[in-house]
Amino acid sequence: SYVLTQPPSVSVAPGKTARITCGGNNIGSKSVHWYQQKPGQAPVLVIYYDSDRPSGIPERFSGSNSGNTATLTISRVEAGDEADYYCQVWDSSSDRFYVFGTGTKVTVL
Amino acid sequence: EVQLVQSGAEVKKPGESLKISCKGSGYSLTSYWIGWVRQMPGKGLEWMGIIHPSDSDTRYSPSFQGQVTFSADKSISTAYLQWVSLKASDTAMYYCARLTWFRESYAFDIWGQGTMVTVSS
Repeated sequence: SYVLTQPPSVSVAPGKTARITCGGNNIGSKSVHWYQQKPGQAPVLVIYYDSDRPSGIPERFSGSNSGNTATLTISRVEAGDEADYYCQVWDSSSDRFYVFGTGTKVTVL
Repeated sequence: EVQLVQSGAEVKKPGESLKISCKGSGYSLTSYWIGWVRQMPGKGLEWMGIIHPSDSDTRYSPSFQGQVTFSADKSISTAYLQWVSLKASDTAMYYCARLTWFRESYAFDIWGQGTMVTVSS
């Protein structure tokens, strides 16, 4: 089955840029979605179709996807961005259609 | 407002049965797939499967096939997740989420607040 690998943690100072990677075999050929999960809360979709933002998500959140790596970028990081982030793809060729990444804890220093 | 509201936390003993619910509002539940996602304590998100409430068509992840059952009652816009015999390893937060097609792929765009299930003797 398809595997998505993320770094366990990323630390960033307020006002700086955080980049969270999501590695998968030829992931650039798939659409990648990203979720933010704050402590004690349900996940929230922050990026869909590689780089589109749902309404209400700040422009500071952006995404890209190419080759074997997709990236979620958070610009001008704020304390409220501290959360776990998960990438996700739809793998129609697999019996595990919806694959989540391993998750990355973003810590704002 | 489009939302999914899940039933409250449950504490059960091993071997007991359980059915938790996920009620949709603000949109037609029968127009979208509903997915179920498990999150064990301190762990990541795991896809369990999906159900289409219009006809109860279901797809299970191989990891959960035979372990749980999905159902839906479209007359009350509610989806369900059911266990016949709970195990301690079923202790987790369970989320329902709406699946939406975005050009080339499905994503979970609306999530319930989660139902915490604790199984302990």
